Amino acid sequence: SAVISQKPSRDICQRGTSLTIQCQVDSQVTMMFWYRQQPGQSLTLIATANQGSEATYESGFVIDKFPISRPNLTFSTLTVSNMSPEDSSIYLCSVEQGADTEAFFGQGTRLTVV
Amino acid sequence: TQLLEQSPQFLSIQEGENLTVYCNSSSVFSSLQWYRQEPGEGPVLLVTVVTGGEVKKLKRLTFQFGDARKDSSLHITAAQPGDTGLYLCAGVAGTYKYIFGTGTRLKVLA
Repeated sequence: SAVISQKPSRDICQRGTSLTIQCQVDSQVTMMFWYRQQPGQSLTLIATANQGSEATYESGFVIDKFPISRPNLTFSTLTVSNMSPEDSSIYLCSVEQGADTEAFFGQGTRLTVV
Repeated sequence: TQLLEQSPQFLSIQEGENLTVYCNSSSVFSSLQWYRQEPGEGPVLLVTVVTGGEVKKLKRLTFQFGDARKDSSLHITAAQPGDTGLYLCAGVAGTYKYIFGTGTRLKVLA
């Protein structure tokens, strides 16, 4: 199994500012994933981050708005740039491991933009 | 676009009652997973079903994968307050490719 530490766990930010979310895994992983989740809703994949290469973004998400870093096999960051209230959400990082290709998640970052 | 629709969206029941949550798609998946998420936490895997028609039991939870591998169900027997949470199905469409369902929020009242 993988243990994922994500921080901050929550933040309240002013519109127009940026927030960087950190994700640390206790083992080396090839791919790390970033999801957005509206409270009580399902997960939407933002992007997939592979160490040493540019992240791959899903439809509707762009690098200028959600730049991602992946400096090594255990760490990644997601930045939410030029925030607006519509960016208020829970952001989760995830990795995949195990024979069942189980997805492990951090506890999430609850972002509120005011 | 691959979509996984879950029903019901919300469910509030009394302790001891039974319930079934459905996860439906028009797409075929290589496997399907069920996760439970509690407030302030990330989703946690409950089970993976791989073979069409497969049934897996986890204590009071019974999971079934449809014969055509397009749908799944989760049945909870004698629900308890500890079962409260957001239940998510996830279709595995390939390596590193998860499609998460729309979610079912369950509340079990004592």
